[in-house]
Amino acid sequence: DTGVSQNPRHKITKRGQNVTFRCDPISEHNRLYWYRQTLGQGPEFLTYFQNEAQLEKSRLLSDRFSAERPKGSFSTLEIQRTEQGDSAMYLCASSLRRDPTEAFFGQGTRLTVV
Amino acid sequence: RKEVEQDPGPFNVPEGATVAFNCTYSNSASQSFFWYRQDCRKEPKLLMSVYSSGNEDGRFTAQLNRASQYISLLIRDSKLSDSATYLCVVMDTGFQKLVFGTGTRLLVSP
Repeated sequence: DTGVSQNPRHKITKRGQNVTFRCDPISEHNRLYWYRQTLGQGPEFLTYFQNEAQLEKSRLLSDRFSAERPKGSFSTLEIQRTEQGDSAMYLCASSLRRDPTEAFFGQGTRLTVV
Repeated sequence: RKEVEQDPGPFNVPEGATVAFNCTYSNSASQSFFWYRQDCRKEPKLLMSVYSSGNEDGRFTAQLNRASQYISLLIRDSKLSDSATYLCVVMDTGFQKLVFGTGTRLLVSP
C-alpha cells in the first residue's frame, strides 16, 4: 500500500491517560500535516512538518499535545492527560513541498475518551 | 467569523437533479481553492481545484468569484454515489496549509 497509513484506526482510552498515534506518509512526500475532525465539522489544522522540522502549530494544539517527525519520515502525535473533549478523528495528510493541493489523507485514528 | 463558511445542509435531491453548493471565504488574499469530497467515516479526497476562469470535470463544475469571495460547486445529473459531504477548502496565504469549511452534506435518493 503506497498511501498514507495511520495507526491505530481506533483508540478508546480513559480520561487522564496518554495516547500516541502514528502516521506513515507517502514515501517521497516531505510535508506532513495533522488535522482533527469532530462530528459535523470540517478538518481543523493542528500542525505540519517540512521534513523533520515542525513549522507551524495551531492554537488548538494545547500543551498536552505534542507531535514529532524525528527522521522526516513517520510522525507521531501524543496527547497527554486526555480529556473527553479530545474525542475526535485525527487525520494525517502528506504532500510534496509547496503543492498541498495534492495532499493525501490517511484514514484517520478515531479517538474516544471515556 | 470562520475563514471558510458553508451551509451544512443536508441537501436532499432525487437522482438526476442538479444541485449547487456555495461557500464563502474571509481572507481576500487567499490564492488557491478546492473542493474535497468526504464519504461517511472516510478521509477527505480531492475532488477538484477551482480556477478563476471556472473549470469543469464531467458532471462537476466549480467557479470562483473573487470579488464576492465565494466558491461554488455544481453537480449535474446527480447519482446515488454522489451522496457525501463536500468540503470547501482554501489554501492559506502563506501557502502552507489547507483550511476547510464545515462541509455540505448531500443525499441523493432514488
